[in-house]
Amino acid sequence: GNSVTQMEGPVTLSEEAFLTINCTYTATGYPSLFWYVQYPGEGLQLLLKATKADDKGSNKGFEATYRKETTSFHLEKGSVQVSDSAVYFCALWMDSSYKLIFGSGTRLLVRP
Amino acid sequence: DVKVTQSSRYLVKRTGEKVFLECVQDMDHENMFWYRQDPGLGLRLIYFSYDVKMKEKGDIPEGYSVSREKKERFSLILESASTNQTSMYLCASSPSGRGAMGYEQYFGPGTRLTVT
Repeated sequence: GNSVTQMEGPVTLSEEAFLTINCTYTATGYPSLFWYVQYPGEGLQLLLKATKADDKGSNKGFEATYRKETTSFHLEKGSVQVSDSAVYFCALWMDSSYKLIFGSGTRLLVRP
Repeated sequence: DVKVTQSSRYLVKRTGEKVFLECVQDMDHENMFWYRQDPGLGLRLIYFSYDVKMKEKGDIPEGYSVSREKKERFSLILESASTNQTSMYLCASSPSGRGAMGYEQYFGPGTRLTVT
């Protein structure tokens, strides 16, 4: 079946450090891929998306590239801020399906 | 801005009680979803609805039911609450119809339910 695997957290970084959160997927077909972010005390919000291979999604300094050959969609940011502290969820969606499939989430803690 | 609101942020109920969680969205979205969020498990879909009075089971529907009498409102019902239903419950909505469930889902802030 379709699934998403994320690196376990928490990930703890100092402000201005480089961030990578790994995400790989298993899917029968060609999914669309997403990163959602959940700030403390809030619901999830869409951070970025990519709908086909080699697409790069970007938003708020975050980027992720849809790599079909490695079935990956790693999240990166060049310089994190304290305000980026949150839980990040990788997700996939198939056109033939009705639902988003989420990874288990990775907590990011950025220290000043 | 799309707004999804949930009736309570925190709720404490006793085992065996019937529990209602309410969700309202203000953007005329066709699709609405209920998830539960547990540490290490991510989000798991309980039920979803693609139209008024229409509902379909998600991955973990046991012990839950739903109601959608109006387009903007989607209720999750725990018929007889149990301690293993202690969790964070998230409601979401998305545009577009049955044939192409909107992948851009808008989430409410969540209800943290504790069953004692």
